[in-house]
Amino acid sequence: TQLLEQSPQFLSIQEGENLTVYCNSSSVFSSLQWYRQEPGEGPVLLVTVVTGGEVKKLKRLTFQFGDARKDSSLHITAAQPGDTGLYLCAGAHSNYQLIWGAGTKLIIKP
Amino acid sequence: EAQVTQNPRYLITVTGKKLTVTCSQNMNHEYMSWYRQDPGLGLRQIYYSMNVEVTDKGDVPEGYKVSRKEKRNFPLILESPSPNQTSLYFCASSFGQGSTQYFGPGTRLTVL
Repeated sequence: TQLLEQSPQFLSIQEGENLTVYCNSSSVFSSLQWYRQEPGEGPVLLVTVVTGGEVKKLKRLTFQFGDARKDSSLHITAAQPGDTGLYLCAGAHSNYQLIWGAGTKLIIKP
Repeated sequence: EAQVTQNPRYLITVTGKKLTVTCSQNMNHEYMSWYRQDPGLGLRQIYYSMNVEVTDKGDVPEGYKVSRKEKRNFPLILESPSPNQTSLYFCASSFGQGSTQYFGPGTRLTVL
């Protein structure tokens, strides 16, 4: 069974704090996608990382793909209430199958 | 506006009463899929379609049917719903299986 383990499952922090969400697998991915899902809506793509070691920034969000392309992290600097949501990672195998993590529910308290 | 639409958004039904959830996309995507989302389990793929008239089982296909007669539409059919199919359902489309997925707004289904 191919797994993509996401941690933590739940995180509640104060506005202004930093946080990191992790996606880990024993499988190698050709690319890894990060999505954010807000209540009552479907997931929306934030970023796709493709190259081992790649770092992408989206304002206060920093995404990193592991050197071996088996893991990824999402770091949020100075979290704001607008960052609240469910964060999902999805790894694409070479056969194009997408494997989804279970998600990290993030709550940023004002 | 490029979008994936699903109907209905909310549905409460009873065990055994056949239902269909519609899904339509206007982005000319070849790949479409259905997911269910349950707390702690993330997104699990039910069925997918690589193109018109081509459908295949995902990870949790039992109790569901799909059809792809047209490129833009991909309905999900529950012939005899059961309470364990109570869930949040998402339709998604993309250019390819591993490409960016564009999700619909979701259908919250309750089977009593």
